[in-house]
Amino acid sequence: KQEVTQIPAALSVPEGENLVLNCSFTDSAIYNLQWFRQDPGKGLTSLLLIQSSQREQTSGRLNASLDKSSGRSTLYIAASQPGDSATYLCALSGGGADGLTFGKGTHLIIQP
Amino acid sequence: NAGVTQTPKFRVLKTGQSMTLLCAQDMNHEYMYWYRQDPGMGLRLIHYSVGEGTTAKGEVPDGYNVSRLKKQNFLLGLESAAPSQTSVYFCASSRDPYRGYTFGSGTRLTVV
Repeated sequence: KQEVTQIPAALSVPEGENLVLNCSFTDSAIYNLQWFRQDPGKGLTSLLLIQSSQREQTSGRLNASLDKSSGRSTLYIAASQPGDSATYLCALSGGGADGLTFGKGTHLIIQP
Repeated sequence: NAGVTQTPKFRVLKTGQSMTLLCAQDMNHEYMYWYRQDPGMGLRLIHYSVGEGTTAKGEVPDGYNVSRLKKQNFLLGLESAAPSQTSVYFCASSRDPYRGYTFGSGTRLTVV
């Protein structure tokens, strides 16, 4: 059974810092990996989708990488802002129809 | 384009009552999912559907039933609510697993 771990569970940094969130998984046979953002009391907003044939994806200040062989993905946030404060979730698809396997998330606080 | 819409957004039930959560998507997606999110547990799959008229069990299906009578709608039913079903419920849909998933804004359910 696929297991997804996100480290750290919580992170607090000053505004302007570059930071990296980590996601590791136990089964490298994945279809794609999706990073989501969740604001308190809200739903999940998709940030980046990396398909199994890709190594990274970029959107604005966000860059996500995927290394299937080592079972790792990272989400890099450049020049962090207070508005980036949220919980970031990593989720994997194994290629079947049975949806995503989620990590428990990293709760990020950007201090003004 | 509304995406994935969940109804209701909030609900309080008494133990033993029944209710139905509605998920509607306007993207013509074949795949639809129900997840629950609990503190410390992450998101877990309850049931899913790969097309109109189909349903399948996920990781935590006990106490729930689902129906997919129309392609755009996926209903989650609680026949006899229990306090253990207090959670935030998310619906998601996908055109196909390779293309990623879109989530609704959630239903916060409290069973007292």
